[in-house]
Amino acid sequence: RKEVEQDPGPFNVPEGATVAFNCTYSNSASQSFFWYRQDCRKEPKLLMSVYSSGNEDGRFTAQLNRASQYISLLIRDSKLSDSATYLCVVNMYGQNFVFGPGTRLSVLP
Amino acid sequence: DVKVTQSSRYLVKRTGEKVFLECVQDMDHENMFWYRQDPGLGLRLIYFSYDVKMKEKGDIPEGYSVSREKKERFSLILESASTNQTSMYLCASSSGSGANVLTFGAGSRLTVL
Repeated sequence: RKEVEQDPGPFNVPEGATVAFNCTYSNSASQSFFWYRQDCRKEPKLLMSVYSSGNEDGRFTAQLNRASQYISLLIRDSKLSDSATYLCVVNMYGQNFVFGPGTRLSVLP
Repeated sequence: DVKVTQSSRYLVKRTGEKVFLECVQDMDHENMFWYRQDPGLGLRLIYFSYDVKMKEKGDIPEGYSVSREKKERFSLILESASTNQTSMYLCASSSGSGANVLTFGAGSRLTVL
């Protein structure tokens, strides 16, 4: 079993739609969690950290379920500019970051 | 903002050549990382360093070495480049404490002929 798993997609959604991505991780000792966004041929950039209580940043909401070992990202009112690959990242032992394979999102006009 | 700078965006090398990829960060981060990213395989950790002169193997260290002589600089070395090392190489750094977030450089796309 891979340490971090994501549905690779692609998710093709119309503008204005709500879309949700899930990510599961295998190591229950994982300490911190993130969603990164990566545009084509660019480096990954931090979208948001994921906190135990859940957190929201504008149209983006992230949730963590430690008992079931999954993380989710909800995007409301999708924009064309949200088209990208979304990477789930788990940090273990303070130093090692483990990446999921990414979920590709295409927002269509 | 944290800035991670990779010296070369695009390189073309021949099989057997020695390749140096340089990475510099300007925020006094403790940890630095080298990843490679390939289609269908995602990001894979090659090496990381949590202190000057310290290094740890990642998931795919074979064929690579690293050097961290100064805190701000982490170099990836391909002693004898091979075609299967054609890839996008991404350097990253993190503080190692507090808001321990990874920040990436823009990447170095290496083609080995």
